[in-house]
Amino acid sequence: GAGVSQSPSNKVTEKGKDVELRCDPISGHTALYWYRQSLGQGLEFLIYFQGNSAPDKSGLPSDRFSAERTGGSVSTLTIQRTQQEDSAVYLCASSLPRRAGGELFFGEGSRLTVL
Amino acid sequence: KNEVEQSPQNLTAQEGEFITINCSYSVGISALHWLQQHPGGGIVSLFMLSSGKKKHGRLIATINIQEKHSSLHITASHPRDSAVYICAVRGGGGADGLTFGKGTHLIIQP
Repeated sequence: GAGVSQSPSNKVTEKGKDVELRCDPISGHTALYWYRQSLGQGLEFLIYFQGNSAPDKSGLPSDRFSAERTGGSVSTLTIQRTQQEDSAVYLCASSLPRRAGGELFFGEGSRLTVL
Repeated sequence: KNEVEQSPQNLTAQEGEFITINCSYSVGISALHWLQQHPGGGIVSLFMLSSGKKKHGRLIATINIQEKHSSLHITASHPRDSAVYICAVRGGGGADGLTFGKGTHLIIQP
């Protein structure tokens, strides 16, 4: 597609349920980032994938959060046993490697509400 | 871990004014990004800098690597420039994920 695509755009779930959020980056972008933005808060880095390298998971807030990127393209962020504090907009961004420019392109985000 | 500080946190100005938003960081970086987020809207990348200065229309971004400081300038500001401007740094401490500033809420009044 022309841009970074995320789905679902909105997700309401009950506390304790698992959720999966999907990110489809721009074709050819080797770098993929997941962030989240809680209501009224700044952006919080979650995880970073670069090509075939091991992902940088340093931003994941707990072991309930995991992400994978299959075939170097689509990525799925999974939150297990959701808690109310997980409510946020989850954003994905992709980019070419820094040596090729490195400009970030963001998706519209997936708004997660945990009741 | 890099610490990113933005100032001011909030800024209200009149249309036509020259705007400056500052960003300082604590650890050497490989690149710095300026992002724009309109209320209820998505995030758009304005600039990526590793040195010097870049200009795009009425926006100018500069970076001083030695002083670990960047500025975003808006000339002839317009109400449509009202948004949150976010500084993000890449690298530093061996990590390649981005560290974000808390953002500057800019309001340009007609």
